[in-house]
Amino acid sequence: DAGVTQSPTHLIKTRGQQVTLRCSPKSGHDTVSWYQQALGQGPQFIFQYYEEEERQRGNFPDRFSGHQFPNYSSELNVNALLLGDSALYLCASSLFGQGHSNQPQHFGDGTRLSIL
Amino acid sequence: GQNIDQPTEMTATEGAIVQINCTYQTSGFNGLFWYQQHAGEAPTFLSYNVLDGLEEKGRFSSFLSRSKGYSYLLLKELQMKDSASYLCAVMDSNYQLIWGAGTKLIIKP
Repeated sequence: DAGVTQSPTHLIKTRGQQVTLRCSPKSGHDTVSWYQQALGQGPQFIFQYYEEEERQRGNFPDRFSGHQFPNYSSELNVNALLLGDSALYLCASSLFGQGHSNQPQHFGDGTRLSIL
Repeated sequence: GQNIDQPTEMTATEGAIVQINCTYQTSGFNGLFWYQQHAGEAPTFLSYNVLDGLEEKGRFSSFLSRSKGYSYLLLKELQMKDSASYLCAVMDSNYQLIWGAGTKLIIKP
């Protein structure tokens, strides 16, 4: 049973560039959430996708966008990269809905993004 | 605003017991989660509380008091491999997880 997989594991970009990060959810999960985690901090919620639509969004600018595909996999896109975007980007999958609120999110190993 | 508070760092001795506290103020409450995160790795699920009281799972236990907005994670018989960050997260009224900054636990021999 494959868990959450993310690619790439590491990425180096320069300011102003654009980046796409990818995530495949755990088998059986239909919802993908993206988080940004700075060093020594907890994860900060970026957004959540279910049924190919953005369902919730955290306090992140429009430079951060995403997509979910029919197979539930997801992409996170960041445009006009800033030095402050350097962080670990985590993808978590779960089952959608109130009936599953007690089910933990399962995390991938993350993509470490460095902006030079 | 929504806020989760945890101590930044704690130190304990191998074989001992440690309690990591978490206080929260959120818009609504649909449960509290504890996750463990080793350096450079993804968070892994430890426990979930939605009703008041203690949930025990092996060496780890988690307690919740909703009226006080308070939880703790209790780790017994500490092992060196328990050195990690411990993250407290609360699910708010929109079923969105609000995360604390994490508590770095250092285990000494």
